Amino acid sequence: AQSVTQLDSQVPVFEEAPVELRCNYSSSVSVYLFWYVQYPNQGLQLLLKYLSGSTLVESINGFEAEFNKSQTSFHLRKPSVHISDTAEYFCAVAQPTSYDKVIFGPGTSLSVIP
Amino acid sequence: NAGVTQTPKFRVLKTGQSMTLLCAQDMNHEYMYWYRQDPGMGLRLIHYSVGEGTTAKGEVPDGYNVSRLKKQNFLLGLESAAPSQTSVYFCASSSGGFALGSPLHFGNGTRLTVT
Repeated sequence: AQSVTQLDSQVPVFEEAPVELRCNYSSSVSVYLFWYVQYPNQGLQLLLKYLSGSTLVESINGFEAEFNKSQTSFHLRKPSVHISDTAEYFCAVAQPTSYDKVIFGPGTSLSVIP
Repeated sequence: NAGVTQTPKFRVLKTGQSMTLLCAQDMNHEYMYWYRQDPGMGLRLIHYSVGEGTTAKGEVPDGYNVSRLKKQNFLLGLESAAPSQTSVYFCASSSGGFALGSPLHFGNGTRLTVT
C-alpha cells in the first residue's frame, strides 16, 4: 500500500536561513509527486509537482524539490526563507492509474522566525 | 476569478442532525473531490466525482453521501452527524484527474463541529 511520511511535524527556522522539509513515500508502482502549501485559514495550493523528466523541479517563489527514486524521497528545499513562507506544507503522492489513489502526508508546519 | 467556493465556512451541529456542504467551481473542471483534514493525519478522501452525474467512494466514505447533479457543483451530506465527524472539510477540483498529473484546486474549507 502507498504511504507518505513527513518526518518533521514542526520546523522552526530563522528568516533568511535555508530550510529542508522531508518527504518519503512508499509505492510499488510509479507515482506522481506534489508539494502543497496551506496558509492559515485557507485551502491548499499547489507549490510544485514532479510527473516525469528532470528530477529537480522548482516553484515560482524559490522552493525546489528533488525526486530521488532510489531513496523514494521528494524533499522540499529553499535556500533563504521569508516570513511569508510560514505555513503548513503537505507532500502528496498520486498513482497515475487511479483517481482515488492519492495520499497526503500529515504535514509539516514551517515557522519562520524574524 | 472565484475558483472553488465552499459554503458555509463554519457550522456547529448537534449529534444526529443533518446538513449539506456545498462546493461550487467555475473552472469547468470535470473532477471534484471532498476531503477531510484532521490534525496530524493530512487529508483523507471522502468521495469524489469524475464527471456530472457520477460519484465514487474514497478512503473514508462512511457517514457521508454526495451528489453531482451539475458539473459545477458537488454536494456533501451528513445524514446523522456524529462527534467523529468534527473536522475541516475541503472541496477540490481538477481538470484532468490524477492520471494526467493534474493538480488539485482547493476551496478555503468548512470547519464543522459536532457536539
